[in-house]
This record gives sequence, C-alpha cells and structure tokens, in this order.
Amino acid sequence: GQQLNQSPQSMFIQEGEDVSMNCTSSSIFNTWLWYKQDPGEGPVLLIALYKAGELTSNGRLTAQFGITRKDSFLNISASIPSDVGIYFCAGHGKTSYDKVIFGPGTSLSVIP
Amino acid sequence: DTEVTQTPKHLVMGMTNKKSLKCEQHMGHRAMYWYKQKAKKPPELMFVYSYEKLSINESVPSRFSPECPNSSLLNLHLHALQPEDSALYLCASSQNQGPSYEQYFGPGTRLTVT
Repeated sequence: GQQLNQSPQSMFIQEGEDVSMNCTSSSIFNTWLWYKQDPGEGPVLLIALYKAGELTSNGRLTAQFGITRKDSFLNISASIPSDVGIYFCAGHGKTSYDKVIFGPGTSLSVIP
Repeated sequence: DTEVTQTPKHLVMGMTNKKSLKCEQHMGHRAMYWYKQKAKKPPELMFVYSYEKLSINESVPSRFSPECPNSSLLNLHLHALQPEDSALYLCASSQNQGPSYEQYFGPGTRLTVT
C-alpha cells in the first residue's frame, strides 16, 4: 500500500537555527499536508499544497510540493522554543475515496 | 474559525462498559472522520462520513460503532473494548471528502481501557 517516509526521524537544534525536513513516497499524491502536533493535543494544520511545484509560506514556515508529486519538504526559519513538537506530513491521492496517508513524523526539539 | 471540539478530554472505562465519544464542528463541513493514534505513531483512519453517510470503514472491529446524527455532530460508541484499544481518538472534519479539502483535527479524547 501507499507509504510515506519522513526524515529526519528526530532533530535537536539551537534556538534561532533554520530547520529542514522532508517527506518522500513511492506513490504520487495530489495533495500534501503538513501538520504539527503537541503532546496530548490534536494535529494542527500548518500548510496545504495542491499543485506540483507549489511553494507556500505561512509565517516562518515554507513548504513545497515536489515536481514529481512524490515528495514535499518543510522549512522552519529562525526556530523558537514553541516550535517543539512532532511534524507530520500527509498525502492525499486523487480520488475522494483515497484516504489521507500520514508519515511517521519528525520530532523537533529546540534548545534555548 | 477552524475549530473541532471533542468531549470528553479523558475517559477511563472498563472492558464491560459502554461509553461514547462526541465530536462537533460548526464550519459547515460535510465530511467528518475518526482517527486512532497510539503513542509516538501517526493517526490511523477508522471511519469517514460524507454528507452524514458512512463512506469509509477501515475494517474497524464492531466494538467501535460510529454515528453521524447530523452534519455538525459525530459520535463514536464504544462497547466491550480491550486494553489495546487505549489510545488518543481524534475527530477531524473537512469541507468535503477528497484531495482538494484539508482536514482540521480536534484536540482528541485520551481513552484508557482497564
């Protein structure tokens, strides 16, 4: 079945550093979504991407939909302590009956 | 407003109990979802409702019974659960079902089965 890989699995960075994480798949997706989840809370949607090559920003976050439609990346600039959490990528196939597939997540820790 | 609310926040139940989880959204979304999430894992889809009709059941055991009384509400009825069913149960909604519509999640219900 469809599967997503996320890298890195975890990262520890200094406050103020930029962060880059990515998501890859052997399958094509029509939509890429990036979510952040804090412990004990539900995932919060950060960015949604709908077209191959699309580059979208949301504040300090920038995400891109890969040209091959099999990958996406998320960058966070000038990290702050509240960026700590688990970042999930998710892909959606082309039909209404395709489900959203989640990657395993990247755990981000920010050292003040 | 992109708020999905879930009650209760926490639930502890015995294996013989019957309980229900509730989810509500007032965004006019016509698709609603139940997910199960174990610790340090991504959410796993359980059910999808579209226009108040069950659209997808991911082969979920019958001890989980979903219900969509109206377009704003989604329930998950629980009966005779097992300890391995302990998890965070997440509700989500989207404008419609399909790849053009992003899903918004509620805060979840932390379920413990004893």
